[in-house]
Amino acid sequence: NAGVTQTPKFRVLKTGQSMTLLCAQDMNHEYMYWYRQDPGMGLRLIHYSVGEGTTAKGEVPDGYNVSRLKKQNFLLGLESAAPSQTSVYFCASRRDRGPNEQFFGPGTRLTVL
Amino acid sequence: TQLLEQSPQFLSIQEGENLTVYCNSSSVFSSLQWYRQEPGEGPVLLVTVVTGGEVKKLKRLTFQFGDARKDSSLHITAAQPGDTGLYLCAGVGSSNTGKLIFGQGTTLQVKP
Repeated sequence: NAGVTQTPKFRVLKTGQSMTLLCAQDMNHEYMYWYRQDPGMGLRLIHYSVGEGTTAKGEVPDGYNVSRLKKQNFLLGLESAAPSQTSVYFCASRRDRGPNEQFFGPGTRLTVL
Repeated sequence: TQLLEQSPQFLSIQEGENLTVYCNSSSVFSSLQWYRQEPGEGPVLLVTVVTGGEVKKLKRLTFQFGDARKDSSLHITAAQPGDTGLYLCAGVGSSNTGKLIFGQGTTLQVKP
């Protein structure tokens, strides 16, 4: 099992460009999450999904969109990137029942110039 | 808005020393988790504490959940260089969405 994978690992964008980050999990987990991690601020929830076809806003959703067309994939989109979106992005997944343990991907480091 | 204040933010100690990391909030959480993160990787769950006053031990690491379920601590005995990393506490709210509220993190460096 690969667990949670994220592509790409690194990306540099210019202000105003768009991109999509892909998260994939092979554990048949219902719930998936997108976080951003900035120095001194821990992880902040951007959007999450409690099942295929569902999405909901987290703590810092502005400037991002998400889609969960397939259970195993959760996409995070930036329509018009801004320097404030320079961050490390983590995807996580968990089962819908049992212990609330989230499994994290390795992260995507995004720089917006 | 639920917030978790983690302290200290940075800790640099010598091998063999003891340390404690604190995680405090004015909000009640249904449970609290501690994660460890290494450079270039995602966080990995160490422990979940659920009951007020609960103490859990993981080798040299001792985790405690406050009686009122608003705070937690992580104590490491005889720290080793392998303990170096970022430690994050995360509070679990009462909803069934599994959303986590993370503290700012504590960067621990253990020097040989």
